[in-house]
Amino acid sequence: DVGMTQSPLSLPATPGQPASISCRASRSLLHSNGYNYLDWYLQRPGQSPQLLIFLASHRASGVPDRFSGSGSGTDFTLKISRVEPEDVGVYFCMQALQTPITFGQGTRLEIK
Amino acid sequence: QVQLVEAGGGVAQPGKSLRLSCETSGFNFRSYTMHWVRQAPGRGLEWVALMSYDETYKFYGGSVRGRFTISRDNSKNTLYLQMNSLRIDDTAVYYCARGLNSVFDWRTDYWGQGTLVTVSS
Repeated sequence: DVGMTQSPLSLPATPGQPASISCRASRSLLHSNGYNYLDWYLQRPGQSPQLLIFLASHRASGVPDRFSGSGSGTDFTLKISRVEPEDVGVYFCMQALQTPITFGQGTRLEIK
Repeated sequence: QVQLVEAGGGVAQPGKSLRLSCETSGFNFRSYTMHWVRQAPGRGLEWVALMSYDETYKFYGGSVRGRFTISRDNSKNTLYLQMNSLRIDDTAVYYCARGLNSVFDWRTDYWGQGTLVTVSS
């Protein structure tokens, strides 16, 4: 199975300031088609996860441009350029290169 | 708009069975891979199973393989999860998630609101 490790697990953030989450995979997520099969999800309190970023760097429909994803191979980063109060929740990375699909442990973002 | 509505959760004793369903609307269900993902209380996400649009491919997570069965009825736009030999550690919110309309791309996009399964004696 592909192990997924996120850091930090807890992220106190200040509104208007940037924030960053790291996700590391135990093997490369780079497919032969040139895409990295790494997605980012946000689970707001009491809600189901919603897709933010797919294939490492592509914003999903309706996601604000303050969210961006980067990385390749085994190391990936989700960045929020300016944190807003509605960004509170748990962020998960997910690899879909192979089954079983696996998730990072989650990073809880809270407002300071 | 894409809608996924899970049902069938509840309380079951260890060793018993439950069947979950996921009614979908707003997209061409028969063209999409579908998934089940679960989340134990206060825990992270665990992928359970997927089925390709044409039922050719079915994959399961290691902790449920041999006990759970994923199925779909394309005429009813509905996905199912038959859960047998339930264990205490199957207690979780079970989410139905839409995959993609291409084979061998196992990503997901839309998720339902989930249904809670509690396994307790």
